[in-house]
Amino acid sequence: GAGVSQTPSNKVTEKGKYVELRCDPISGHTALYWYRQSLGQGPEFLIYFQGTGAADDSGLPNDRFFAVRPEGSVSTLKIQRTERGDSAVYLCASSLTPGAFNEQFFGPGTRLTVL
Amino acid sequence: SQQGEEDPQALSIQEGENATMNCSYKTSINNLQWYRQNSGRGLVHLILIRSNEREKHSGRLRVTLDTSKKSSSLLITASRAADTASYFCATDFQETSGSRLTFGEGTQLTVNP
Repeated sequence: GAGVSQTPSNKVTEKGKYVELRCDPISGHTALYWYRQSLGQGPEFLIYFQGTGAADDSGLPNDRFFAVRPEGSVSTLKIQRTERGDSAVYLCASSLTPGAFNEQFFGPGTRLTVL
Repeated sequence: SQQGEEDPQALSIQEGENATMNCSYKTSINNLQWYRQNSGRGLVHLILIRSNEREKHSGRLRVTLDTSKKSSSLLITASRAADTASYFCATDFQETSGSRLTFGEGTQLTVNP
């Protein structure tokens, strides 16, 4: 597609449940990033993929969070045993290649609400 | 923290006026990018300025970068009601080059018709 797409656009779940959030980057973009944005704040980095591998996962808050990108294109962010504090907008971005001079293109985000 | 910090946090102006937002950061960067966000959803990329550049223009937008002061500014000229949004600066720090952007908390701009 023309831009980064994310599904679902909204997800409401109950505390303790498992959720998966999907990101489809711009075709041909090798770098993929996940960010989380809480209300009234800027996005915070979670994880970065170069191809199929997670090159930097230092932003993941704890081991309940995991992400994969098995074929180097679509990525899934997985959250186990969700907590109310996980409620946020989860943003995905991609760039043509990683590196200092490539802009990141963002998707519309998935708004996760944990009840 | 390395995080970019914007000021002001909120800015309200009349249509036709210019809006200036500032961003400061603490460590060396490769580039600095400005984004716009409507209604807390997707971010729209506005301008990327490299560390060896001092000024860039795009339409009604003008971005400056002063690496000696570790600061940047975004100027929107002849503002329109449609410019109402949150604006974020995002820095690509040298030590994490290519792996992430670090965002500030944003400036909420309101342009009154």
